[in-house]
Amino acid sequence: DQQVKQNSPSLSVQEGRISILNCDYTNSMFDYFLWYKKYPAEGPTFLISISSIKDKNEDGRFTVFLNKSAKHLSLHIVPSQPGDSAVYFCAAEGTFGNEKLTFGTGTRLTIIP
Amino acid sequence: NAGVTQTPKFRVLKTGQSMTLLCAQDMNHEYMYWYRQDPGMGLRLIHYSVGEGTTAKGEVPDGYNVSRLKKQNFLLGLESAAPSQTSVYFCASSYAPTGLNTEAFFGQGTRLTVV
Repeated sequence: DQQVKQNSPSLSVQEGRISILNCDYTNSMFDYFLWYKKYPAEGPTFLISISSIKDKNEDGRFTVFLNKSAKHLSLHIVPSQPGDSAVYFCAAEGTFGNEKLTFGTGTRLTIIP
Repeated sequence: NAGVTQTPKFRVLKTGQSMTLLCAQDMNHEYMYWYRQDPGMGLRLIHYSVGEGTTAKGEVPDGYNVSRLKKQNFLLGLESAAPSQTSVYFCASSYAPTGLNTEAFFGQGTRLTVV
């Protein structure tokens, strides 16, 4: 039972354009969401996070939007750069940190120069 | 500044063999985790530890054992390897439970093939 879903295995975007990566979740007990970025032959690295009490969090070129009623979050990257080419994992966490991170299956983003 | 280091990076095992994966962190983190990554499955938690001398089961613990004898090390053991354990294994650590503004730091991964 996949509680965190990333339905797009891959995405290609032209350099300079906006990249939008989507993530859906089913467990209403999740209240903290994170995005991790992974390059080949490396471990995932933390990118950005959002708490359920917010609907938007921005960090430079990266913005995460949360729609709790739809149980949906998205990561926007603008403008997209070649170095953004990587696999992006959405992850969710339950209340008080007692639960562990539940990861989605990942979306491979390719930025076309 | 090494962060999280995994040993080995690659390994090929025959079915039934045993091995131990080592994870070492130099950030004085209390929490450590072992994940496996499989195509189409994302990262799944195998076992984790909330401090020296403690271990707990994650989502997919069967066929694995772990030990946390020292705060900086977290070992993952396969007693009798099976082809279903072919995967990429990631160790991670954090100073507090992940979430709540606490990120996990990951190692570079160990690619294990069981033939």
